[in-house]
Amino acid sequence: EPEVTQTPSHQVTQMGQEVILRCVPISNHLYFYWYRQILGQKVEFLVSFYNNEISEKSEIFDDQFSVERPDGSNFTLKIRSTKLEDSAMYFCASSLDSPTSFGPGTRLTVL
Amino acid sequence: AQSVTQLGSHVSVSEGALVLLRCNYSSSVPPYLFWYVQYPNQGLQLLLKYTSAATLVKGINGFEAEFKKSETSFHLTKPSAHMSDAAEYFCAVSANAGGTSYGKLTFGQGTILTVHP
Repeated sequence: EPEVTQTPSHQVTQMGQEVILRCVPISNHLYFYWYRQILGQKVEFLVSFYNNEISEKSEIFDDQFSVERPDGSNFTLKIRSTKLEDSAMYFCASSLDSPTSFGPGTRLTVL
Repeated sequence: AQSVTQLGSHVSVSEGALVLLRCNYSSSVPPYLFWYVQYPNQGLQLLLKYTSAATLVKGINGFEAEFKKSETSFHLTKPSAHMSDAAEYFCAVSANAGGTSYGKLTFGQGTILTVHP
């Protein structure tokens, strides 16, 4: 069964540095998402992406965040200047029809 | 707008006992409803989904859930708990209509299930 994949599984960075989290969605899916889960909290929607543009974003998704689908295969989340509070598990997800399939996540630690 | 409330952040049962995890939702449009399970240090695995077909939905690992529109509920049950069921469970809702937000999930706070021998 096709799966959403994410790299890296763990990322440690210094505050103020830029990070790029990478995802390969399921190949025939059309909708792509990033979610975040801060340790001990619920999974929160960040952004959805459809037809090569952001279709919806949450209040969390401010100017330090950006997404891109550079080559029709990968889907990336860039955090321009990381803050301590960006430390979380980041999940990529994709869907064609219900339900949404999630990747295994990237654990981001900002020091 | 959609929201999910999971009643009880922690549920503890004995092995072999009934598991009942509660979920109530609010949605301005007919919803799709989901239960996901998350094992420690792992991602989200779909347990089951309601997508406007049968109201009693069977999922993996012996779990099932019943959609009750009148109660706006989608409680998760399993007749007999197993030690391997210990995990965190998330209820989620999405709109069932198309459009650019299709598939966007709103999650509940999660319920940690502990199973005692």
